[in-house]
Amino acid sequence: DGGITQSPKYLFRKEGQNVTLSCEQNLNHDAMYWYRQDPGQGLRLIYYSQIVNDFQKGDIAEGYSVSREKKESFPLTVTSAQKNPTAFYLCASSIGLAGTGYQPQHFGDGTRLSIL
Amino acid sequence: RKEVEQDPGPFNVPEGATVAFNCTYSNSASQSFFWYRQDCRKEPKLLMSVYSSGNEDGRFTAQLNRASQYISLLIRDSKLSDSATYLCVVKILTGGGNKLTFGTGTQLKVEL
Repeated sequence: DGGITQSPKYLFRKEGQNVTLSCEQNLNHDAMYWYRQDPGQGLRLIYYSQIVNDFQKGDIAEGYSVSREKKESFPLTVTSAQKNPTAFYLCASSIGLAGTGYQPQHFGDGTRLSIL
Repeated sequence: RKEVEQDPGPFNVPEGATVAFNCTYSNSASQSFFWYRQDCRKEPKLLMSVYSSGNEDGRFTAQLNRASQYISLLIRDSKLSDSATYLCVVKILTGGGNKLTFGTGTQLKVEL
């Protein structure tokens, strides 16, 4: 079945460590996105990529980094510079920049990151 | 002012009730509109797109008023399984591509 796979589901990190969250999709989508969700808040965009080897900062990119070396993969690194990394991280993909604009985003089932 | 605003709720309604959610957006260049549903501790899932002419999918009706920059979702004959958070989502086409902005969500609790 086509879909988006995020791993791990739960991740614990010590302060001062970098961690990388995996996101893989087999939907053949061009665009991929990373969001962060905190309790009582909406999803906030961290980074997004419309095409391989290109990505753009979202609204809260500080303390995060990404790469897009392959179409199906968009890993997110939470660096030690991110001061409050505990959150629910969601990866999404969509067909991409096209026509009518009604292509929705499809989400992975998320990674919960906690700081020890 | 937030780009997308929703009443956070919770809306506590009895089973069988009709409930309406509203959402306003601030960017007049917004192109596309969606309602997503998010269950507790799960990922958001697309419920329906919102078209200018209004659209219906079973018990769910979505409407868009571009002049007032206002989106609504109506749920008729609500079921216990409708309990979730409903996210209003607006898409804008930017130089860097499509950007979705999410509201904070409205929580619905359907009770017996």
